[in-house]
Amino acid sequence: AQSVSQHNHHVILSEAASLELGCNYSYGGTVNLFWYVQYPGQHLQLLLKYFSGDPLVKGIKGFEAEFIKSKFSFNLRKPSVQWSDTAEYFCAVMRGSSASKIIFGSGTRLSIRP
Amino acid sequence: EAQVTQNPRYLITVTGKKLTVTCSQNMNHEYMSWYRQDPGLGLRQIYYSMNVEVTDKGDVPEGYKVSRKEKRNFPLILESPSPNQTSLYFCASSGGGHGYTFGSGTRLTVV
Repeated sequence: AQSVSQHNHHVILSEAASLELGCNYSYGGTVNLFWYVQYPGQHLQLLLKYFSGDPLVKGIKGFEAEFIKSKFSFNLRKPSVQWSDTAEYFCAVMRGSSASKIIFGSGTRLSIRP
Repeated sequence: EAQVTQNPRYLITVTGKKLTVTCSQNMNHEYMSWYRQDPGLGLRQIYYSMNVEVTDKGDVPEGYKVSRKEKRNFPLILESPSPNQTSLYFCASSGGGHGYTFGSGTRLTVV
């Protein structure tokens, strides 16, 4: 079965540290890839997305992600985190062009120490 | 403002008492979907709809119903809620392959 794996369930960093959150998917066909962020008590918001072209995509708030097709990965990165980045992060995969078939990973909780 | 509106935000109910959570979007999106979010399990799709009168089951449809009589509305119906349906529910819509816009969520407690 198709799945999305986020290996880190909880990551704790100090401010200014670099961040990398892993995401792997198992679907072999055409995919569109997303990272969503959920701040405490809020709904999910789109952080960035990859459809085609440059595999390094830049999103809001200094985040970026790299699509490595051979590794079925779409890792999220940020060079220097801030306390306000404390949130839960979800990787998601859309299979083909069907917007109804978005599968989410189980999420990674990011805690930033001031 | 483009948005997905869910109501209510919070709901406490008793086992077996039918309830409906409403969802409305103002973006003329074709795709709409319901997810539940549980700790450690991420988001799991309950039902989705690709257009008016077109709905299909997601990964966890048991105990839920949906309808799509109008393009903008996609209510979630729990005919006989049970405690294992206590969860945080999100409605989402999409105008194509661009990812979802999410509603603010409904926290449901079934006692």
